[in-house]
Amino acid sequence: AQSVAQPEDQVNVAEGNPLTVKCTYSVSGNPYLFWYVQYPNRGLQFLLKYITGDNLVKGSYGFEAEFNKSQTSFHLKKPSALVSDSALYFCAVRDPQAGTALIFGKGTTLSVSS
Amino acid sequence: DGGITQSPKYLFRKEGQNVTLSCEQNLNHDAMYWYRQDPGQGLRLIYYSQIVNDFQKGDIAEGYSVSREKKESFPLTVTSAQKNPTAFYLCASSMVLQGANEQFFGPGTRLTVL
Repeated sequence: AQSVAQPEDQVNVAEGNPLTVKCTYSVSGNPYLFWYVQYPNRGLQFLLKYITGDNLVKGSYGFEAEFNKSQTSFHLKKPSALVSDSALYFCAVRDPQAGTALIFGKGTTLSVSS
Repeated sequence: DGGITQSPKYLFRKEGQNVTLSCEQNLNHDAMYWYRQDPGQGLRLIYYSQIVNDFQKGDIAEGYSVSREKKESFPLTVTSAQKNPTAFYLCASSMVLQGANEQFFGPGTRLTVL
């Protein structure tokens, strides 16, 4: 069965420091992987996705993610955090053999302090 | 102005009452989805539809019903059989093509049972 794990409920980082939000997945085949961000009482916004090819994917707002097949991970990264990056981040996976629905992780709250 | 709209933004339901949440998209997407979001539990799939007049149950379909009579619309009814309906409900849509198609989300409806 497909699953996604975000092992940290909350990540705290100081403004200007690099940030990492972790995600691991489990699917039977080659996965499609996504990161979304949610601000309070809003819908989710798409950040980036991995389909195939280059393991380092660049997305919106300076975010990037690294796909690691051997570790079944897709960690979200940013070289220099901003206070405005503070939000709830979701990792999601889609098994291409199982339709178009996504399986979401439980989310990680990122808090960037000034 | 393309996108997904959900209405109402806030909805209050009395015990034993059915309520319907609206979701409309003008992105010409074939697939639409309903998710339920509870604190600390991420997003859970209720129903999804990949084509007009067809839909599939997600992980937590009990107590909910949907219809897909038009490509643009995917209303969700929360019935009295849903024992704990207080939550944030998110609608999304995507293309159905080869490759990983990200989902676009509406702003959400917050349902509260009185």
